[in-house]
Amino acid sequence: NAGVMQNPRHLVRRRGQEARLRCSPMKGHSHVYWYRQLPEEGLKFMVYLQKENIIDESGMPKERFSAEFPKEGPSILRIQQVVRGDSAAYFCASSPERRLNEKLFFGSGTQLSVL
Amino acid sequence: SQQGEEDPQALSIQEGENATMNCSYKTSINNLQWYRQNSGRGLVHLILIRSNEREKHSGRLRVTLDTSKKSSSLLITASRAADTASYFCATFNDYKLSFGAGTTVTVRA
Repeated sequence: NAGVMQNPRHLVRRRGQEARLRCSPMKGHSHVYWYRQLPEEGLKFMVYLQKENIIDESGMPKERFSAEFPKEGPSILRIQQVVRGDSAAYFCASSPERRLNEKLFFGSGTQLSVL
Repeated sequence: SQQGEEDPQALSIQEGENATMNCSYKTSINNLQWYRQNSGRGLVHLILIRSNEREKHSGRLRVTLDTSKKSSSLLITASRAADTASYFCATFNDYKLSFGAGTTVTVRA
C-alpha cells in the first residue's frame, strides 16, 4: 500500500510563473490536507479538502493560491504568479475519514524554490 | 497562530542518554500527537494521547499530558543516532491538526 505521493519533489520557478503541486493520498483516503513549512519552522495549515469539496481554506492566502481535489486524480495546490516569499516546503497529508482522533499520513513534500 | 509551542528549540545529547522535550498549547483539545521529521522529509506519526489520558508508552517513547496546565512532554529513552530529527507536537481540534515550531534533537555518537 503506497503512502502519500507528492510530486514533483523539487520545483523551481521564476517570479511570475505558476506552480502546480500534486498529491495522491493513500489508497482509501478521502481527506487531504496541505501544509506549508518555512525553514526552521513548524508546519502551517493551509487547506483541508474532501473529494470535490473544500472544507476549510482558512490558512490559504486569498490571492494567487487555490486547491482542488477532484473526483478522479490527485489533489492539486496551485500558486499563480509566484513570488520569492512562496519558497517553502509544501506537504500534503491524508486521512481515511473525518474523525476526532485521526492521525495524518504525510507525503515527502515538494520543495518550491522561486528565483 | 500556532497552537503548540515546544521547548527547548534545540537539544544535543550523547547516545544512550534520555531526551525530554515539552509542548504547551493554548486551547482545549481532543488529543495531542507527536511527530518526527527527518531532514528534508515528511512527518512521521509517533504517538497520540487523548485528552482523558495522562500517560502513554510506545517502545522507547513516553508521553505525558497535563490538561490542567495545557502541556505535554515527550521522553525518548536510551537515545540512538537514528533519533536525530525534529520533533513536533500537534493538537487535534475537530478536524484540524495544528503544529508547534518543533524541537531539533541531535544525538551524538
